[in-house]
Amino acid sequence: DAKTTQPPSMDCAEGRAANLPCNHSTISGNEYVYWYRQIHSQGPQYIIHGLKNNETNEMASLIITEDRKSSTLILPHATLRDTAVYYCIVRGGSGNTPLVFGKGTRLSVIA
Amino acid sequence: DGGITQSPKYLFRKEGQNVTLSCEQNLNHDAMYWYRQDPGQGLRLIYYSQIVNDFQKGDIAEGYSVSREKKESFPLTVTSAQKNPTAFYLCASSIRRGLSYEQYFGPGTRLTVT
Repeated sequence: DAKTTQPPSMDCAEGRAANLPCNHSTISGNEYVYWYRQIHSQGPQYIIHGLKNNETNEMASLIITEDRKSSTLILPHATLRDTAVYYCIVRGGSGNTPLVFGKGTRLSVIA
Repeated sequence: DGGITQSPKYLFRKEGQNVTLSCEQNLNHDAMYWYRQDPGQGLRLIYYSQIVNDFQKGDIAEGYSVSREKKESFPLTVTSAQKNPTAFYLCASSIRRGLSYEQYFGPGTRLTVT
């Protein structure tokens, strides 16, 4: 079972920041938080991951709370092409185990 | 998609026929995975393989079979025993980056069985 809780859907105006929340209250010390997104009829695309520090790359920023029980993915300037289902996944760092997907958040970016 | 190819993109079969879905990666990744996705649902794990000549069942392995004879290839056979084979099938592979692992997906094969 997925170890995360996400809202089923969100809207965001084009050009604004999209902030996607994720709760992972049972996360353990060696588990990472991963974010993927899936545009309709395509394979999921890796976005970013982190352990406890905030992370940023060319696609997004990941903010993890100090207690690590929740995180937020930030798309700084959302475009129509960011419309997708976003998955927050918790996965242990000690082995090459498969990702377990929940239902994710369907983000709609509106012009 | 990062070097993971799945072919064909669309596949049609008659009920009762076995069908094999191809997955190839040129990323030198050790682990490979097969997932199934039904409309409006998340991904469910069918099988995975962490090294050549070894694989493990996922959550929904019944009616499927796999082989891992080469590092770069992980074909999935959908047998006639799979009750509802029509779905979107996704292959993935992963590699260790420091203390974590990154998993990448192929473009998927949409299988329709009638």
